[in-house]
Parts: sequence; C-alpha cells; structure tokens
Amino acid sequence: DTGVSQNPRHKITKRGQNVTFRCDPISEHNRLYWYRQTLGQGPEFLTYFQNEAQLEKSRLLSDRFSAERPKGSFSTLEIQRTEQGDSAMYLCASSLGQAPTEAFFGQGTRLTVV
Amino acid sequence: AQTVTQSQPEMSVQEAETVTLSCTYDTSENNYYLFWYKQPPSRQMILVIRQEAYKQQNATENRFSVNFQKAAKSFSLKISDSQLGDTAMYFCAFRGFSGTYKYIFGTGTRLKVLA
Repeated sequence: DTGVSQNPRHKITKRGQNVTFRCDPISEHNRLYWYRQTLGQGPEFLTYFQNEAQLEKSRLLSDRFSAERPKGSFSTLEIQRTEQGDSAMYLCASSLGQAPTEAFFGQGTRLTVV
Repeated sequence: AQTVTQSQPEMSVQEAETVTLSCTYDTSENNYYLFWYKQPPSRQMILVIRQEAYKQQNATENRFSVNFQKAAKSFSLKISDSQLGDTAMYFCAFRGFSGTYKYIFGTGTRLKVLA
C-alpha cells in the first residue's frame, strides 16, 4: 500500500480560474477527509465522506468549493473562481470506519493564487 | 462544539533532553479519541500516538508518552531522549466516538531540537 496520494503536489493559478485536486485514499479506507492548512496553522476541516456520501461540510466553506467521491474511491476537490485567500495547502486524509481510528494524511497540494 | 487548544506556539529542547507539549480540549462527549500528529518541515503529517478516552492507562510509543487527564480535559505529550529528527510541528487532535467523525486540530506547537 502506497498510502494516501494527492495530485498535483503544487498548483499555481491566476485569480478567477478554477482548479481541481485529486486524492486517492488508502484502498480499504471508507472515510475520506479534506482539510486546508495555512502557514503556521493547524489543519482546518473542510468536508468528509463515508464511502460516496458527503456527510459533513464546514460552514466556513463557500459555495465556490465542491467535493466529490464517486463510487467511494478517489475524491476531487474543486475551487471555482479562485481568490488570493484560497492560497493554502490542501490536505487529504483517509481512515477506516473502525479501529485503528487515526487518519492517514497525504502530502498535500499547495495552491498559490496569483 | 469541540475545540482543541495548544498554548505553546514554539518550544525548544536540547538533544537527549525531555520536553512536554501541552494540549487541552473541550467536549461534552464521554467517549472520544485523542491524537498527537507530527509534521516535519515540508513533509506529510504522521501519527505519533493515540489515546482512547475510555482507557485509563496512558498511551506510550517508544520515546513518546502522553499524560491524559480526562477530568481536566488535558492531553500532554512527553518526548524523552529528544532527537534532531523530532524537530517538527506537533498537532493535538480530537475525534468524537460517534456522530461526527471529523478530526479537530489545535494550532500546533513548533518544536526545535538543538544539537
């Protein structure tokens, strides 16, 4: 098992453009999470899925953000009409629905909006 | 709503010494999970240690141990025999036992191990 994989690792985009990130979780994990992390801060929860169902979405997440997990496998996070404030590291994590209970993180996608 | 607080933004320790990182949390749940994660510079976050709230015994993983005080809602991490490779951001995290399964993180403590 290669762990949680995220692509791309880095993305530079112009303000107003749309971007999409992909996350491939550990294969047997049924929960998948998206977090945003800015420099020197802890991960901020965005949303999570159990299988293909999106169970919770942060109220801080604007309508420009959308996430999908078709067929309960990989997930995509799309940001429409990017703004400079969207610049951050976007982390994906996955976990089993049973013990052990910890989340396993990917290496993240660093987004820079210019 | 659950919250996690780490009151030490930065700490340093001499190599081979012991250091303790603090974490407090707030929840109305009786059962939950607590974690310490390590994030080295420019590298991914990895689990250091986990604690189930229903277990009274403090978790230990090699040089890492926790002091879990459920009544005080305190969950500190002790690193013994600090090594240069322990230099990293350390995050305390909470996850409920039922209901929402999201992980809630503190703001982190930047630990620097000095040679």
